[in-house]
Amino acid sequence: AQSVTQPDARVTVSEGASLQLRCKYSYSGTPYLFWYVQYPRQGLQLLLKYYSGDPVVQGVNGFEAEFIKSNSSFHLRKASVHWSDSAVYFCAVSYNNNAPRFGAGTKLSVKP
Amino acid sequence: DTTVKQNPRYKLARVGKPVNLICSQTMNHDTMYWYQKKPNQAPKLLLFYYDKILNREADTFEKFQSSRPNNSFCSLYIGSAGLEYSAMYLCASSSWGAYAEQFFGPGTRLTVL
Repeated sequence: AQSVTQPDARVTVSEGASLQLRCKYSYSGTPYLFWYVQYPRQGLQLLLKYYSGDPVVQGVNGFEAEFIKSNSSFHLRKASVHWSDSAVYFCAVSYNNNAPRFGAGTKLSVKP
Repeated sequence: DTTVKQNPRYKLARVGKPVNLICSQTMNHDTMYWYQKKPNQAPKLLLFYYDKILNREADTFEKFQSSRPNNSFCSLYIGSAGLEYSAMYLCASSSWGAYAEQFFGPGTRLTVL
């Protein structure tokens, strides 16, 4: 079955620490990969996306993600988190001309 | 302007009654989507319009209807609400294509009693 898995429902890190949020997908063919962020009381916003080329893609606010085809993963990273990064992060996958499917999200809490 | 608006923001409905949710966008996007989001679950795609062509997911085909009277507006209609419909409903729009960025509204929280 086609699916997007974010294994960590909640992640807590201290301000200034590094971050990795995990995402694995199960789809046949070549995927289009996305990370979205949802701040409280706002709609989801795109952080970054990937289709081809350099497997490490840069996004907004210092976020980056790495596509590892052999592992069907697209993990999100940030070198040093800020309290304002506290939000819910969603991984999404689409292929061909189908609409994106989402993971369940990871709620990030940044401790001061 | 990259705004997607949803009305109402909160909706209370009675079991067995109809529910109509509205979404609008001003970006002239040809594709509009509806997702259902329940706590601790992934946003679930219900349907999407490409221009005037409606695509509904197989497992929710009979539960939700939609209309798109013009490019800017899209509605989600529930004919007879059940308790299981209580959820956040997310509307999004984008240009056509699997690699297109989706722009999301803030959501409508539907509570069915």
